[in-house]
Amino acid sequence: NAGVTQTPKFQVLKTGQSMTLQCAQDMNHEYMSWYRQDPGMGLRLIHYSVGAGITDQGEVPNGYNVSRSTTEDFPLRLLSAAPSQTSVYFCASSPRGYQPQHFGDGTRLSIL
Amino acid sequence: EDQVTQSPEALRLQEGESSSLNCSYTVSGLRGLFWYRQDPGKGPEFLFTLYSAGEEKEKERLKATLTKKESFLHITAPKPEDSATYLCAVQARMDDYKLSFGAGTTVTVRA
Repeated sequence: NAGVTQTPKFQVLKTGQSMTLQCAQDMNHEYMSWYRQDPGMGLRLIHYSVGAGITDQGEVPNGYNVSRSTTEDFPLRLLSAAPSQTSVYFCASSPRGYQPQHFGDGTRLSIL
Repeated sequence: EDQVTQSPEALRLQEGESSSLNCSYTVSGLRGLFWYRQDPGKGPEFLFTLYSAGEEKEKERLKATLTKKESFLHITAPKPEDSATYLCAVQARMDDYKLSFGAGTTVTVRA
């Protein structure tokens, strides 16, 4: 049972480049979310989805885009990378939004 | 706005030296308070959910308690494998989807 799988594990981008962080879960969870984790700060919610075809903004959505075409996958797109987006990104899922979330092992992203 | 403050930021313990971590919170109607453990280079791993003041949960050497303003994570007779960052998060009753996380307490247990 793989749980939540995130790819890539590491990525370096130049300012202005775009890329997609992948997230897949095999637990048939309805709720999926993306967080960023920065030193000295708590995890902050970027976007979330309560089911296929339904997404909404979290606390820090600017500069990021999401879509959810299947239950399993929830990719996060950086439209035009900026140094302020250097962070560790975590994807999480749960059966319902109010239940404990299962996290992937993160993507470490550096924007030069 | 929901707020979560964890203290201390870092805690160094000798093996067997019990201690407590604090999570202070403000939320408009608590649905649940969550504790997670995070190892270096890994994602957070769920430990406990607490729903109401007075509730307690235990798992091995860890015990979580909840009051109306704060939660404590007690580590009894810790071992080096308990070294990790412990994260606290709250969810408001009116919000099914948003977790507000604290910055975490990094615990180091020396043999």
